[in-house]
Amino acid sequence: RKEVEQDPGPFNVPEGATVAFNCTYSNSASQSFFWYRQDCRKEPKLLMSVYSSGNEDGRFTAQLNRASQYISLLIRDSKLSDSATYLCVVNQGGKLIFGQGTELSVKP
Amino acid sequence: DAGVTQSPTHLIKTRGQHVTLRCSPISGHKSVSWYQQVLGQGPQFIFQYYEKEERGRGNFPDRFSARQFPNYSSELNVNALLLGDSALYLCASTETRYNEQFFGPGTRLTVL
Repeated sequence: RKEVEQDPGPFNVPEGATVAFNCTYSNSASQSFFWYRQDCRKEPKLLMSVYSSGNEDGRFTAQLNRASQYISLLIRDSKLSDSATYLCVVNQGGKLIFGQGTELSVKP
Repeated sequence: DAGVTQSPTHLIKTRGQHVTLRCSPISGHKSVSWYQQVLGQGPQFIFQYYEKEERGRGNFPDRFSARQFPNYSSELNVNALLLGDSALYLCASTETRYNEQFFGPGTRLTVL
């Protein structure tokens, strides 16, 4: 079993759609949680940290459920510029463990 | 402020050669981590350094080594290159207060 598992992609959605990404992790000792965004052939960029209380940044909402070891990312009102690969990431003692990523393609 | 910088951006080597990759963290960050990303996969952790000491090592062979300098910059060395070492090598700088890591643009290594 992979340490961090994400929904297989790709997700193809129209502009304006709401899209949800789900992720599970296996190590209950994981300390912190993130979503990164990666554009083709570029480096991952930190999108948001994820907290147990949930957090929102504009059109993006992230949730963490430690009991279920589950992380989610919701994107509302998708834009063409949201097209990218979204990486679910957990931090174990300074070591980031990445999921394989879910590709999102937003179409006009 | 400058972000994480890495050099070179691209590199082509042949099997058996060695390579040195360089990274400078964000000013004020004392921790640097290295990751390998092969096509179609998420990055894999190689090393973490903090205040010039190794704090973690991933599941990579001894051909991979790294060090951190007094100015917090870092080098990743790979000896006896194999075709399978072809990947994007990413350096990340850690903001320790929130434990957030910020990546440089990476070095794309091709081994022929």
